[in-house]
Parts: sequence; C-alpha cells; structure tokens
Amino acid sequence: EVQLVESGGGLVQPGGSLRLSCAASGFTFSSYWMSWVRQAPGKGLEWVANIKQDGSEKYYVDSVKGRFTISRDNAKNSLYLQMNSLRAEDTAVYYCARDVALWPHWYFDLWGRGTLVTVSS
Amino acid sequence: SYVLTQPPSVSVAPGKTARITCGGNNIGSKSVHWYQQKPGQAPVLVIYYDSDRPSGIPERFSGSNSGNTATLTISRVEAGDEADYYCQVWDSSSDPRVVFGGGTKLTVL
Repeated sequence: EVQLVESGGGLVQPGGSLRLSCAASGFTFSSYWMSWVRQAPGKGLEWVANIKQDGSEKYYVDSVKGRFTISRDNAKNSLYLQMNSLRAEDTAVYYCARDVALWPHWYFDLWGRGTLVTVSS
Repeated sequence: SYVLTQPPSVSVAPGKTARITCGGNNIGSKSVHWYQQKPGQAPVLVIYYDSDRPSGIPERFSGSNSGNTATLTISRVEAGDEADYYCQVWDSSSDPRVVFGGGTKLTVL
C-alpha cells in the first residue's frame, strides 16, 4: 500500500526540540521531492520545508529558517524534520507529503495522517 | 509573497452545484491544485493542473482557471462532500514558492 506515516510529535516546552519522522512505503521514495506541511489548530495549511530526491537541495519557509532542518534517508525510506528552539506558534499538526515536482508545476499527491506538535509550558 | 484568496465559507443544498473560488494576481498563468480536507483527516488532492482529476476522484469534481480567478466546481453535491477545500499554486517569484489559499468550508445544507 502506498502510504506515509508520521511519528515523533508530542508536547514540548518553548525552546525545546523535537524530531519528526515520516516512513514511506509502497513507492520509490528516492524518486520524489518530499515536503513537510503544517496546520495550526483551526487554521489553514502552511508549507514548511522540502527536500530534493538526493538531499542536495532544501528549502524552508522564513519562519522556521535556522531552527528547523529537513533531511532524508533513502535507504530507510524515511523523511525527517528536526525542530529546535520551538515556539508556541509552531504548535500544529505536521504532515509529510509527497511532491509532484514538474517545474513550473508543483503539488502534493500523497499525504500522511499527520503528527501533532504542541509547544507549551 | 503571492497571495491566494478564498471565501471562508460556501453553503449549498444537496444535489445542487457548489463553486469555490480562489483569487490571485494573474492566477490564470499558473497551475492551480485543489485539496479536500475532512475533519480530523489529512488533505486529499482532488484537482491538479487546473482541471485534472486524480484516479478515484468523482467526475462531479471539476476545475477551471482564467484571469485572476480559479474555480473548483462540485456538481450534484452530496453530504459527504462537506469539508474544507484549499487551492494551491507554485510561484517561482514568491517566497515561499508553495502557496496555499486560506481554505473554504463547504457546508451541505
């Protein structure tokens, strides 16, 4: 079955760190760009970061630059998001998504169920 | 950054046609993609490249894009179509380049 399964979310204090993981199965993970997209409670979707197939290119939304790091392990079919210096405004459900990147077209054709990150003291 | 504007809510009676708009500067020159998100669930792609449907998406879902407005049309609306809908584009001159609209809550009366 083609799927993405996130893990690693939880409650963390402001200033703390968390590492999210996304396990991919049912498709050739190494052939796709991959993204993290988040959704704050009751809010809309916000793209956070993405990474090229071989990890050589990474892009971030301004609000997480310098604090979050996206990475991948193609041998393990896994995507990661290391989140440091967490803030209350980072509280959200974090989704792992598969990119369809055919410049200048870019969209997401497969999503995981998400993992909740709550930043609170 | 590029901005996509959606109405917060749209209401429609069962069996009628719902139209959800997505406004953006010269959006007709971009490819627009649409996602459906039901409560507590992950988003699902329902339209890509303005008007193409992924396999498994009913023909009742269609899209168009011209000028400054893209539109998702849902014909013969069913109760199960009640959800939030988001439009999305990729804009090479924007930062970030991936842009989502604010979302529209579709209510089936």
